[in-house]
Amino acid sequence: ETGVTQSPTHLIKTRGQQVTLRCSSQSGHNTVSWYQQALGQGPQFIFQYYREEENGRGNFPPRFSGLQFPNYSSELNVNALELDDSALYLCASSLSGQGVTDTQYFGPGTRLTVL
Amino acid sequence: AQSVTQLGSHVSVSEGALVLLRCNYSSSVPPYLFWYVQYPNQGLQLLLKYTSAATLVKGINGFEAEFKKSETSFHLTKPSAHMSDAAEYFCAVSRMDSSYKLIFGSGTRLLVRP
Repeated sequence: ETGVTQSPTHLIKTRGQQVTLRCSSQSGHNTVSWYQQALGQGPQFIFQYYREEENGRGNFPPRFSGLQFPNYSSELNVNALELDDSALYLCASSLSGQGVTDTQYFGPGTRLTVL
Repeated sequence: AQSVTQLGSHVSVSEGALVLLRCNYSSSVPPYLFWYVQYPNQGLQLLLKYTSAATLVKGINGFEAEFKKSETSFHLTKPSAHMSDAAEYFCAVSRMDSSYKLIFGSGTRLLVRP
């Protein structure tokens, strides 16, 4: 069974640029959630995708957007990067059904640095 | 609204000593509760979860946690610390009726002294 994978591992961008982060779900999972973890803090929920539709969103501006593909892999896109976007971005996959989401399993994360 | 408070940003114990990491939660609806561990430069690994079955939950690596509704607590314990337990530990809560969103505490870094 393959776990959650993310790419790239590290990324350096400059202010104002756009970035795309990728996530492959664990086999059999239909739901992907994205979290932002700033240095020294706990992860903050960005949004979740279930069957290619956004299923919930945290307190993040619209320049944070996402996609989920038919194979349940996912992308996180961030436009107009700001210095405060520097963080570890974590993807988590889970199995959802009947309005309830099972345990979320996390990938290793993508470390984004904005200069 | 839901929230999690982890008391103590750093906890230091000697190898072989009891590990106790504290977590208190606030939730207006029955919660699911989780403990995750994060090793340096890695993602989060699930240690254990409470989903309204037994109040004493056993997890991996010898960890366990007890759900106490009256105290709104879900403290993590391990009888004997190993050097390999040194890591960051996060407590998280989600809604039992719609558990899509995990709300994390700020984390506790566990240091294990030889």
